[in-house]
Amino acid sequence: GAVVSQHPSWVICKSGTSVKIECRSLDFQATTMFWYRQFPKQSLMLMATSNEGSKATYEQGVEKDKFLINHASLTLSTLTVTSAHPEDSSFYICSASSPLAIQETQYFGPGTRLLVL
Amino acid sequence: KQEVTQIPAALSVPEGENLVLNCSFTDSAIYNLQWFRQDPGKGLTSLLLIQSSQREQTSGRLNASLDKSSGRSTLYIAASQPGDSATYLCAVDNAGKSTFGDGTTLTVKP
Repeated sequence: GAVVSQHPSWVICKSGTSVKIECRSLDFQATTMFWYRQFPKQSLMLMATSNEGSKATYEQGVEKDKFLINHASLTLSTLTVTSAHPEDSSFYICSASSPLAIQETQYFGPGTRLLVL
Repeated sequence: KQEVTQIPAALSVPEGENLVLNCSFTDSAIYNLQWFRQDPGKGLTSLLLIQSSQREQTSGRLNASLDKSSGRSTLYIAASQPGDSATYLCAVDNAGKSTFGDGTTLTVKP
């Protein structure tokens, strides 16, 4: 159990376009989902926390107008990178937690690799 | 603010050796600690999850320990194999937010 999927697994886009990444909890309801970003040869950094039905909470330095997060249901959160630029090229990973899990354990998705040309 | 440090940053060993990877954290009020494996260009694979009330977890050749009071965790890999070559990340969960270390890149030479 506790599987989290992401779609797409990787995407290449032109500069200036918007890209949407989906994060789904497949077999549990996730009241909270997290989005992380990993630049090459660096570790993962938390970007934002989203709770179902409310606005996401962004970490310091993350532009909320650039990285739009929607958590419209208990099994789906989306991250939209608006007007993507080459510096947005990164590995984006989501995680999901459930209040039913022990101490709200986070389960991580496989990640989405974004390359902006 | 939680800070997570992993030592060493890189490690190269011959096949068959037992090895230990270290993870330390500054805020001991954690929910749990996870060890992940990440292959180049790939996503995270969860290896072991230790809840704050536990002291260790084992899976096959892997054993992870947790000492919350000293802010340390170790990942022990027995009888290492070339297929174990990857970057190993530890992540500490405080109130539902995870903080990752920078990882240890392991190379196991045949």
